[in-house]
Amino acid sequence: DGGITQSPKYLFRKEGQNVTLSCEQNLNHDAMYWYRQDPGQGLRLIYYSQIVNDFQKGDIAEGYSVSREKKESFPLTVTSAQKNPTAFYLCASSRGQGAGNQPQHFGDGTRLSIL
Amino acid sequence: AQSVAQPEDQVNVAEGNPLTVKCTYSVSGNPYLFWYVQYPNRGLQFLLKYITGDNLVKGSYGFEAEFNKSQTSFHLKKPSALVSDSALYFCAVRPRSSNTGKLIFGQGTTLQVKP
Repeated sequence: DGGITQSPKYLFRKEGQNVTLSCEQNLNHDAMYWYRQDPGQGLRLIYYSQIVNDFQKGDIAEGYSVSREKKESFPLTVTSAQKNPTAFYLCASSRGQGAGNQPQHFGDGTRLSIL
Repeated sequence: AQSVAQPEDQVNVAEGNPLTVKCTYSVSGNPYLFWYVQYPNRGLQFLLKYITGDNLVKGSYGFEAEFNKSQTSFHLKKPSALVSDSALYFCAVRPRSSNTGKLIFGQGTTLQVKP
C-alpha cells in the first residue's frame, strides 16, 4: 500500500543534541512538508519541498533544518538551537506544482520530548 | 492575509444526533476546500473535498460538507453522530491560483460525541 512512513514514533532529545526525524513516501509525490503540532493547537508549517534538491522555509523554520536528496525522503533535523522542541511532528506529501484539488497525505507522526 | 477560521474549539453532541463543525475562510478566488480528521497520536486523515459543482459534498464515514460561496463557509456535517467520531477535525483550503501544494489550515475543532 502506498503511504508515508515516519520514524521513530517516539524520540527523546538531550539538551544540546541534534536529532533527525525520518519521513519516507512511496506515493510518487513531488512535494513534501513538515508540520509541528503543539498540544491542543493546529498545524504550523516548518519546511516544505516542491522538488528534489530544493526546499523553502515555512512559518517556523528557526532551529530546524531539512534535506531533499531523494524524491522519497525528506528528513527533518531538530537542532540544539530549537529551545522548545517538545511537540508532535507530522510529515505530509502531495503533488507539487499543479496539485490543484489533490489533498495532502500524512504520516502518523513522531512525538519528540526533552530528557 | 489568507486565513481559515474554525470558530468553535469544541463541539459536543449526543450519539445519534446530527453534528456540524463550522469552517469559514478568507481566501481570494474560489479555493479548493478540504476536511481532515485526526485521532489521538495519529496523522491527519483526508475526509472530503470541494472542487466545483454541487454544494453538498459527500465523503468518508458518512460525513458530508456544505459549501456556501456567499458566506465563504464549508461546514462539516453528519446526520447521526457516533461515539467513534470523537476526534480533532481540521478544515483546510488551497487557492486555485496556487502553484504549490501548500494548504492553509484552521486551528482545529475537537468533536466530543457522548453516548
